[in-house]
Amino acid sequence: EDKVVQSPLSLVVHEGDTVTLNCSYEVTNFRSLLWYKQEKKAPTFLFMLTSSGIEKKSGRLSSILDKKELFSILNITATQTGDSAIYLCAVGGGGADGLTFGKGTHLIIQP
Amino acid sequence: DGGITQSPKYLFRKEGQNVTLSCEQNLNHDAMYWYRQDPGQGLRLIYYSQIVNDFQKGDIAEGYSVSREKKESFPLTVTSAQKNPTAFYLCASKQTSWLQETQYFGPGTRLLVL
Repeated sequence: EDKVVQSPLSLVVHEGDTVTLNCSYEVTNFRSLLWYKQEKKAPTFLFMLTSSGIEKKSGRLSSILDKKELFSILNITATQTGDSAIYLCAVGGGGADGLTFGKGTHLIIQP
Repeated sequence: DGGITQSPKYLFRKEGQNVTLSCEQNLNHDAMYWYRQDPGQGLRLIYYSQIVNDFQKGDIAEGYSVSREKKESFPLTVTSAQKNPTAFYLCASKQTSWLQETQYFGPGTRLLVL
C-alpha cells in the first residue's frame, strides 16, 4: 500500500525562525513529489520535485528530494505569520492516477 | 477568470438523502479528481476521471458516485450508503501530459449531516 508520512504533524515557532518540514514515502512506480500549502480552503501548489538533489526555490521557501532515501524536505526561512498553514506533501505514482497525500504538517507562526 | 469552482460552499444532508456536489473547471484540463479531507487525515482519493465518459474508483469510493458527461464538469453524489459523510470535499484537475502531476484545487465544499 502506498504511504506518505509527514513530520512533525504540528509545529509552533516564532516569527523569524527557520523551519524544516519532512516527508517520507513508499510508493510503487514513483513519478513525482509535490508540496502544497493549505490555509483555509483550497491547497495551493508550491513545488513539484522529480529528480534527486536538485533544490527548488521560491522566495523564502525551498525544497529538495532524495529518491534513494525516499524523502523530501521543505524549508521556510525567516518565517512570517502569513506562513501559518497546513503544508501537504503528495506523491504521484502507484496504481491510481491520483496523488497520495500525507496527513499534513500544521505550522503556526507566532508574532 | 480561469479556475475551478465548487458549489455549494456548505451543504447539509439529512439521514437517507442523496446530495450532489458540483465541480466545474475552465482550464481545459482532461483529468479531474475528488478528494475527501477529514481532520488529521490528509486528503483521500474518492474518484477520478482522465477523459469524458470514463472514471475510476479511488481509495474510498464506497457510498459515492460520479459522472463525467462534459470535460468541464465532474459532479460527485454522496449517497445514503455513505454512513459517515461529514467532511471537506475537494475537487481538483490537471493536464494529462507527460510528467504533469500538478493538480489544481477548487475551494471545497463542507458537507454536514443533520
